[in-house]
Amino acid sequence: QVQLVQSGSELKQPGASVKVSCKASGYTFTDYGLNWVRQAPGQGLEWLGWINANTGIPTYAQGFAGRFVLSLDTSVTTTYLQISSLQAEDTAVYFCVRDWGVLVPTYFDYWGQGTLVTVSS
Amino acid sequence: QTVLTQPPSVSAAPRQKVTISCSGSSFNIGNNFVSWYQHLPGTAPKLLIYDNNKRPSGIPDRFSGSKSGTSATLGITGLQTGDEADYYCGTWDSSLGAWVFGGGTKLTVL
Repeated sequence: QVQLVQSGSELKQPGASVKVSCKASGYTFTDYGLNWVRQAPGQGLEWLGWINANTGIPTYAQGFAGRFVLSLDTSVTTTYLQISSLQAEDTAVYFCVRDWGVLVPTYFDYWGQGTLVTVSS
Repeated sequence: QTVLTQPPSVSAAPRQKVTISCSGSSFNIGNNFVSWYQHLPGTAPKLLIYDNNKRPSGIPDRFSGSKSGTSATLGITGLQTGDEADYYCGTWDSSLGAWVFGGGTKLTVL
């Protein structure tokens, strides 16, 4: 069965960096896209970007290119979200999500369990 | 400011029906497929509807989706207390070159 298993919660100080991993299994990794979605406390879902697992090319939402970097390692069927220069406003649960899109995301059928990133001094 | 507009909350009694609207533009809903997600606190969101009106395997037919022009609607019949959750619509926005979610609608089953 399809599974997306994310790394554990992180507590970071402002200005630090964090790298969240998402291990995929149960399907052909390069046949689907992988997205990252976050939910800040009391807020709705926010799309950060996606990476085409076949080409490795990422696409970022407005405002997320630069400090946010999406990458993947097909040899271990894992995608990564790295956030640098962390700010308090980055405190959120981060989800990795599989989608059916080839050129652009189309719909999100499997979600990771979520990783809580807390930024606090 | 969200690109897709949903009502912040809806409510209805058990066994009744409710609809949740999602309003957008020609750049998003008008020319792309819409999907809907159910999100219970502390869990991962779940896909309810994709391609405007299709249900994934395992989603009961109490849940339905439709689209007309630049708006989409999620319908839930036979409401159960377990349906209490936040519901989000989502689609690709060709102008922004980004996926967009609605602001979310909190469903209360009275």
